[in-house]
Amino acid sequence: DAGVTQSPTHLIKTRGQQVTLRCSPISGHKSVSWYQQVLGQGPQFIFQYYEKEERGRGNFPDRFSARQFPNYSSELNVNALLLGDSALYLCASSLLRGGGETQYFGPGTRLLVL
Amino acid sequence: TQLLEQSPQFLSIQEGENLTVYCNSSSVFSSLQWYRQEPGEGPVLLVTVVTGGEVKKLKRLTFQFGDARKDSSLHITAAQPGDTGLYLCAGAANYGQNFVFGPGTRLSVLP
Repeated sequence: DAGVTQSPTHLIKTRGQQVTLRCSPISGHKSVSWYQQVLGQGPQFIFQYYEKEERGRGNFPDRFSARQFPNYSSELNVNALLLGDSALYLCASSLLRGGGETQYFGPGTRLLVL
Repeated sequence: TQLLEQSPQFLSIQEGENLTVYCNSSSVFSSLQWYRQEPGEGPVLLVTVVTGGEVKKLKRLTFQFGDARKDSSLHITAAQPGDTGLYLCAGAANYGQNFVFGPGTRLSVLP
């Protein structure tokens, strides 16, 4: 079975633009979480979706939004990009709702905002 | 908000040496996980510990959860170049809550 896949792998945007990142979870996994990893730091939790509903939100501004589709894939949207949004965006899937569940991470999308 | 600290921040050793990295917090965690992340990839789960004082072994890696469930250590015996990577700890205060990650320890094992 394929692991968690993310697209695109790399992305370059300019300040003020909008970006959409995509994630496909492992087959059968119903929970998807999004993390932001700035260079030199650990991943920071952005959102968790389970059964197409938002189940958790981290300390990120409203410029960040996400959704989960009926096939459990997910999109992360970031509006009005800032230079500080440059980071590796990681998607993780788990079989059930997060927390104690084992999460499997994708390779990430590296976003550079100029 | 739970905060996790990891030490050392960077570690460079020769192949064959032993090492220990630490994960500390002032908060109690119901479970704690260790991940390894290699450049260009997402973190890969190594172990989950849930019981205070618990010790788990994974080949040359030994993980320990503190008695008070506020800290953890990862010991690597006879390190190999393939152990090179960013080691992250992550803790969850309660089951069902999302994990909070530490900043990581970047390990380099030189041949």
